Amino acid sequence: GAVVSQHPSRVICKSGTSVKIECRSLDFQATTMFWYRQFPKQSLMLMATSNEGSKATYEQGVEKDKFLINHASLTLSTLTVTSAHPEDSSFYICSVIGTVFSGNTIYFGEGSWLTVV
Amino acid sequence: AQSVAQPEDQVNVAEGNPLTVKCTYSVSGNPYLFWYVQYPNRGLQFLLKYITGDNLVKGSYGFEAEFNKSQTSFHLKKPSALVSDSALYFCAVRDYTGRRALTFGSGTRLQVQP
Repeated sequence: GAVVSQHPSRVICKSGTSVKIECRSLDFQATTMFWYRQFPKQSLMLMATSNEGSKATYEQGVEKDKFLINHASLTLSTLTVTSAHPEDSSFYICSVIGTVFSGNTIYFGEGSWLTVV
Repeated sequence: AQSVAQPEDQVNVAEGNPLTVKCTYSVSGNPYLFWYVQYPNRGLQFLLKYITGDNLVKGSYGFEAEFNKSQTSFHLKKPSALVSDSALYFCAVRDYTGRRALTFGSGTRLQVQP
């Protein structure tokens, strides 16, 4: 079964509005989650590292005020795209590091398609 | 900085034939190497990983990969391809010099023809 749940799987929003994407770790507590974005036919690019109880660490070039990350509990991280624009349309994927017992395997959510119109 | 190279954008193979998807890496220290598969409009599914131990790693769906330290490679292989193996494959690396996220290669599209 799924280890990581991501919601919504698809969302369409109007330009200028905000949209929230949730990432839940179903099988274990996750102090660290990662957010990636993927443009069509391209690879995954790390956006930020989400740390439970502290501020996220953003990659160079990623606007932290635009992509708000909240990791309020050990099983939930949220990515909010604020004041969305069409160029923010992309596939957003979260990932979770498994436990030592799973060999620290990194699991991915099913992804969320964001379309900004 | 860590990096991964997947030199082939696409690999075509006939069903029943062996397949190889190439991956080379660059990382400080010992690498943790992964292969993931992505079907259209879906997230990534874990196939296999190399952490330590035997250089030949066996994973899901009959896939395996061979770690070659001298060539800094981690090629994905399968003895007999299936049409259902057609998908996008990503190689990824992770190190323990302070950066825990995966760095992905550009991806290789595998097309298995009936």
